[in-house]
Amino acid sequence: AQSVAQPEDQVKVAEGNPLTVKCTYSVSGNPYLFWYVQYPNRGLQFLLKYITGDNLVKGSYGFEAEFNKSQTSFHLKKPSALVSDSALYFCAVRDISGNTGKLIFGQGTTLQVKP
Amino acid sequence: DTAVSQTPKYLVTQMGNDKSIKCEQNLGHDTMYWYKQDSKKFLKIMFSYNNKELIINETVPNRFSPKSPDKAHLNLHINSLELGDSAVYFCASSQDVGGNQPQHFGDGTRLSIL
Repeated sequence: AQSVAQPEDQVKVAEGNPLTVKCTYSVSGNPYLFWYVQYPNRGLQFLLKYITGDNLVKGSYGFEAEFNKSQTSFHLKKPSALVSDSALYFCAVRDISGNTGKLIFGQGTTLQVKP
Repeated sequence: DTAVSQTPKYLVTQMGNDKSIKCEQNLGHDTMYWYKQDSKKFLKIMFSYNNKELIINETVPNRFSPKSPDKAHLNLHINSLELGDSAVYFCASSQDVGGNQPQHFGDGTRLSIL
């Protein structure tokens, strides 16, 4: 069965420092991986995706993610964090069984960027 | 212009009532979804429709019934509301059913059962 895990409930970084939000996955076959961000009282917003190609994927708001097949990871990164990046981040993997396009979400990681 | 809009934003009602949540997307997408986000922020798919056809129907009580009058609308009707139905319900849409394209989410409907 496909699954995705975000091992950290919360990540705290100082503004200006690099940030990493971790995600590991378990799928049979080639994974389709996504990152979404959720600000308070808002819906999820798409940040970036990996389908195929270059392992380093660049997305919105200066975020990027690195696909690592051997470690089955897709960590979200940003070189210099902003206070406004504070939000809830979700990693997701497409469920390939049934070809329904269903996304399986991780449990979410709260990012807190301190001034 | 709001891409995916849900109404109402807040819904407070008594146990046992029947309620509906409406969703509309103006992105021209073929596929629409309903998700439930619980108090721990865990997000789970409930239903999806592609061009008015039911695609995903997760293990959801049959008190929940989606209806898609056209591909731009996906409504959610809930009968006999229970305390455990309290959650935030999100509508989303995507360009295709295959899961290759990003999903666009509405801002949610916060359902509270008294």
